[in-house]
Amino acid sequence: ETGVTQSPTHLIKTRGQQVTLRCSSQSGHNTVSWYQQALGQGPQFIFQYYREEENGRGNFPPRFSGLQFPNYSSELNVNALELDDSALYLCASSHMTFGNTGELFFGEGSRLTVL
Amino acid sequence: AQKVTQAQTEISVVEKEDVTLDCVYETRDTTYYLFWYKQPPSGELVFLIRRNSFDEQNEISGRYSWNFQKSTSSFNFTITASQVVDSAVYFCALSDWLGGGSRLTFGEGTQLTVNP
Repeated sequence: ETGVTQSPTHLIKTRGQQVTLRCSSQSGHNTVSWYQQALGQGPQFIFQYYREEENGRGNFPPRFSGLQFPNYSSELNVNALELDDSALYLCASSHMTFGNTGELFFGEGSRLTVL
Repeated sequence: AQKVTQAQTEISVVEKEDVTLDCVYETRDTTYYLFWYKQPPSGELVFLIRRNSFDEQNEISGRYSWNFQKSTSSFNFTITASQVVDSAVYFCALSDWLGGGSRLTFGEGTQLTVNP
C-alpha cells in the first residue's frame, strides 16, 4: 500500500458533463502528478503540481485542469467530457528535493466511463 | 522526445519457467532514470525498481533481475521460476526532470500470464 488514496474509484458520466477526481498524497510528499491510462495502453502524463503551482504539462487540452491544496491533496477537473476521456486516472505523489529521482507512489486510480 | 518501447504485448508461460520482458528507450538526456512497475488487475502501479543512467550494474532481487545496457538503450526484466502471482501488466518507464519533480514516460506494457 502506497498511502495515496483516490476518489471516487469508479464513475460514469455523459458527454459534455464535468468531472472532479480527488487524490490524497502520501504523508510528507509535496508533488503530485496525474496520469491518464486508456484501456490497453500505458499511462500518459497529464500534469504535475508542486507547491500548488502547475509544474509541467503533457499533451492534454486546457479542459483538463488541476489544483493542489496546502495539505498537498489534489484535484483533477475535466470539462466538456468526450468519449475518449474514458480511462483510468492515476494520481502519483512524490517528495521533491534537488536531484529527486522521481520515485512516484501511485494510487489505485479512478476509472471514468463517458457515455 | 522521450520514448519507451515494449515490443512484447503479451507473454504466456507455464509456472516455473523463466521469462524476460524487453524494454528499449530513447532519450537525449545524459542523466535519467529507468523504472519498472507492475500493474495487477486492481489498477495500482507497484514500483519494482529504479536505475540511474550512470549505474549499469545488473541487479537481482529474489526472483527478479534487471539487465541495463546503455549501449543498446535497453533495460530488460527477467523473472526466474515464474509463479501464478506474477501475472500482471508490466510497464517500463523513463523519467525526465521538470524542475519541480519528475515526469515518467511509460511504454505500452507487457501482459504477462503465468499458467499453473
